[in-house]
Order: sequence, then C-alpha cells, then structure tokens
Amino acid sequence: NAGVTQTPKFQVLKTGQSMTLQCAQDMNHNSMYWYRQDPGMGLRLIYYSASEGTTDKGEVPNGYNVSRLNKREFSLRLESAAPSQTSVYFCASRTTGTYEQYFGPGTRLTVT
Amino acid sequence: TQLLEQSPQFLSIQEGENLTVYCNSSSVFSSLQWYRQEPGEGPVLLVTVVTGGEVKKLKRLTFQFGDARKDSSLHITAAQPGDTGLYLCAGTRGSQGNLIFGKGTKLSVKP
Repeated sequence: NAGVTQTPKFQVLKTGQSMTLQCAQDMNHNSMYWYRQDPGMGLRLIYYSASEGTTDKGEVPNGYNVSRLNKREFSLRLESAAPSQTSVYFCASRTTGTYEQYFGPGTRLTVT
Repeated sequence: TQLLEQSPQFLSIQEGENLTVYCNSSSVFSSLQWYRQEPGEGPVLLVTVVTGGEVKKLKRLTFQFGDARKDSSLHITAAQPGDTGLYLCAGTRGSQGNLIFGKGTKLSVKP
C-alpha cells in the first residue's frame, strides 16, 4: 500500500498562473482533507470532503477550489496563484468512525 | 485565536535528558492526537487519546489526556537524537472529525 500520495512534490508558479495539486489514497478512506502549513502557523484546513461527492470549506478556503473525483482522489486547484499561497500543502485521509488522519508527503509550492 | 496552544515552541536538549511538551485549550475535545513530523515529510500519527485522564505509553514516550479533555502532555524519557522533529498536537471537535492543530514544538536532541 502506498497510503496517501501527492503530486507534484515541488512547484514554482508565477503570480496569476493556475495549477492543480493531486492527491490519491489507496486505503479506502471516506474522508479526505487539504491543509496548508506555514512557518509558525501549524496546519490549517483548506477544504475537506467527508465522502465521495461532497466537499466543504475549512478554515482558509479563499483562493482555492477542490474536486473529489472519486473515492480515491481529491484535488486542490489554485485558479490564480498569489504569493500569499506560497506554502507546503498536505493531503490527508481518514476512515469513518475513527479519529486518525493519514498524511501524504506534501507539495512545496512557491509563488513568485 | 489559537484553540490549541503548544509549549514550548522550541526545545533543544542533550541526549539522555527528559522533556515534556504541553498542549492546552479552553475547549473540550472528543479526542486528541499527537503527530511527529520530520523535515520534508508529512505528519505521522504517534497516538490518539480519547478518555479524560487516559495515559498511553509508546516506548520512551508517555502521553496523557487531561481529566477535562482540554489539555494533553507528551513526556519523553532519555531523549535520543532520533527523537528530533516537530511534534504537533491536534484535537477533534464536531461530528465531521476535523482536526484543529497546535503550532507545534520543534525538538532538537543533540548527541
């Protein structure tokens, strides 16, 4: 089992460019999450999907959109990147009825 | 407002020393988890505590959940350089099971 995988691992964008971060899990988990991690800020929830076909905003959703493509995949899209979106992005998944979340290795995004 | 306050923010100690990291809140949590994160990697779950007063041990690591389920501590005995990393506490609130993270404690254990 690969667990939670994320692509790409690194990305540099210019202000105004768009991109999609991909996440997939092979643990048959129902819930999936997108976080961003900034120095001194901990992890903050961007969007989550409690089950296939549903998505909801987290703490910091502005500037992002998500798609729950199927049970395995949950993508995060930046339509018009801004320097404030420079961060490390983590995807996580969880199975219903448990508390534990399992994280991917992260995508380090720089917006210049 | 940070719902989960972790302290200390940074900790640098010598191999063999003991240490305690604290995670405090004014809110009640359904569960509290501790994660460890190494540079360039995602957080890895260490433990979940769900019952007030619960104590769990993982080798040299001891985790405690406060009686009122508002705080937790992580105690490491005889720290080793391999314990170096960022320790994050996270609490679960609400029916969705979403996590609220503390800002983390960066631990450095020098040989």
